[in-house]
Amino acid sequence: QVHLQESGPGLVKPSQTLSLTCTVSGGSISSGNYYWNWIRQPAGKGLEWIGRMYTNGVTSYNPSLKSRVTISGDTSKNQFSLNLNSVTAADTAVYYCAREGAGYYWGQGTPVTFSS
Amino acid sequence: QTVVTQEPSLTVSPGGTVTLTCGSSTGAVTSGHYPYWFQQKPGQAPRTLIYDTSNKHSWTPARFSGSLLGGKAALTLSDVQPEDEADYYCLLYLGGTRVFGGGTKLTVL
Repeated sequence: QVHLQESGPGLVKPSQTLSLTCTVSGGSISSGNYYWNWIRQPAGKGLEWIGRMYTNGVTSYNPSLKSRVTISGDTSKNQFSLNLNSVTAADTAVYYCAREGAGYYWGQGTPVTFSS
Repeated sequence: QTVVTQEPSLTVSPGGTVTLTCGSSTGAVTSGHYPYWFQQKPGQAPRTLIYDTSNKHSWTPARFSGSLLGGKAALTLSDVQPEDEADYYCLLYLGGTRVFGGGTKLTVL
């Protein structure tokens, strides 16, 4: 069964770029009919879909974040990444990665806090 | 921007049945919106219950079922158990992107 694990800095400063990585085991990011997603959840609030990358590398993003987001894959490491630039306090959240296709498999999430 | 709507909160008695719904501001929800349903308990990551309208994961209890109902996606819980108290989120495919509903807080009382 596929397993996903998020990693990255727990603290980010204003105007910096947030970079997170999702390491996938039990399946390849470059094969199968799967979408590799990023989702976030501010404390006490609902889930927000950030964007996703298909197996062939084609991406789609939340229109409200599209100008600041890039999702990309590294097939040699079987990882996919999220870059979110020009961060502000509003980007503080738990960030999840997930595989979509024949179900939806979540990572455990990683908290990201804004720090001045 | 497209809005996905869910009941903010619902209350159900143990052993009862409750239906949560998921609507779209763009019109009727169909199987082409590939509805998903997730359960989230405090301090935990979401857990997928239903995908593509009505398909269950191996870990989804039999008392959970997904369907289309009255132009919306629906999640029905039968014989509700105390451990079903949680937040429930739906996810729809809309306009080439995915959009989450605001979530339903289900209380078992």
